Amino acid sequence: DGGITQSPKYLFRKEGQNVTLSCEQNLNHDAMYWYRQDPGQGLRLIYYSQIVNDFQKGDIAEGYSVSREKKESFPLTVTSAQKNPTAFYLCASTLGGARGYTEAFFGQGTRLTVV
Amino acid sequence: GDSVTQMEGPVTLSEEAFLTINCTYTATGYPSLFWYVQYPGEGLQLLLKATKADDKGSNKGFEATYRKETTSFHLEKGSVQVSDSAVYFCALSDGYGNKLVFGAGTILRVKS
Repeated sequence: DGGITQSPKYLFRKEGQNVTLSCEQNLNHDAMYWYRQDPGQGLRLIYYSQIVNDFQKGDIAEGYSVSREKKESFPLTVTSAQKNPTAFYLCASTLGGARGYTEAFFGQGTRLTVV
Repeated sequence: GDSVTQMEGPVTLSEEAFLTINCTYTATGYPSLFWYVQYPGEGLQLLLKATKADDKGSNKGFEATYRKETTSFHLEKGSVQVSDSAVYFCALSDGYGNKLVFGAGTILRVKS
């Protein structure tokens, strides 16, 4: 079955550590996205990528980094510069490209907690 | 910039009650509009969508009509079930940046 897989489901980070959240899709989608979800604030866009080897900052990119070396993969690194990283992180993908925006498919999310 | 405003929750209803969740938007272009649903501990799933004015999206008994004159996309269901309990997000895409802008989400709780 096609879909988006995020791992791990739960992640704990110590102060000062970098951690990487995995996102893999087998939908052959061009565009991929990372969102952060906090209670009562909806989803906020961290980074997005419309094509391999290219990505753009979203609304809250500070303290995060991404790479897009393969079409299927869009890992997110939460760096020590992110002062309040505890949140639920969602990865999504769309067909993208010249087809414009189409339905977004979401992963199951990763809950990151600072300990 | 583009934005989406949803009614605050939580919304608590009895089974078989009528549901309305209000959503209004601000956009400079001609956005596509979406409702997504999130069940506890999961990602989001597309519930329905409308891509132009006066379009009606529908799925699983839920409906929403794209009203350009009132910049609204209210979600309705005639008879809710306990299994509809979830968080509902209204969202728009301007079609240019391939990005979604979400509302804050509305928690729906349905009691039997």
